[in-house]
Amino acid sequence: QKEVEQDPGPLSVPEGAIVSLNCTYSNSAFQYFMWYRQYSRKGPELLMYTYSSGNKEDGRFTAQVDKSSKYISLFIRDSQPSDSATYLCAMGGRSGTYKYIFGTGTRLKVLA
Amino acid sequence: EPEVTQTPSHQVTQMGQEVILRCVPISNHLYFYWYRQILGQKVEFLVSFYNNEISEKSEIFDDQFSVERPDGSNFTLKIRSTKLEDSAMYFCASSDWDLNQPQHFGDGTRLSIL
Repeated sequence: QKEVEQDPGPLSVPEGAIVSLNCTYSNSAFQYFMWYRQYSRKGPELLMYTYSSGNKEDGRFTAQVDKSSKYISLFIRDSQPSDSATYLCAMGGRSGTYKYIFGTGTRLKVLA
Repeated sequence: EPEVTQTPSHQVTQMGQEVILRCVPISNHLYFYWYRQILGQKVEFLVSFYNNEISEKSEIFDDQFSVERPDGSNFTLKIRSTKLEDSAMYFCASSDWDLNQPQHFGDGTRLSIL
């Protein structure tokens, strides 16, 4: 079983839709959960960073962590064409290591 | 907003040549990282660096790779004798004073080995 699994998409939605992006993971030792946005030929840009189970909201973005199910989600409300990008989940915080483990990324296209 | 900067944006090198990728991390950050992303694959960890030494490296980071912080601002990744399979995007990242702080990434260097 892969450490972090993420549906690669692509996911196409109309402008204004609510987008739901998800990742599952197998290692319960992960403590930190991140969502990065990556535009073509650019680096991962940090969107959300969460530690505990529950929800964290920032503008149109909500990150949700369910440690008991080993499942994280990113919701984008009122999606815009400028949200079209690849969204990467990443996990870290295991004892003794600083490295992040990334999902494959989900390609999102928001249609005007 | 402070950012991680990487140069060059694209490097083309002949197989067997040495290449140095450069990064300027965010100025008050203490932890530095290199990751790479082969086309169509996941971002994968190479090495972390703290207090002027490697704190962790992956199995990818073999003897052909080295990292250095030659001065107070730059952080470099050197590949001694490049192979075709080293072609990838290389991302530098940095984080603040402890493990709890998130890693911030640069825009990467696209390395093409011919």
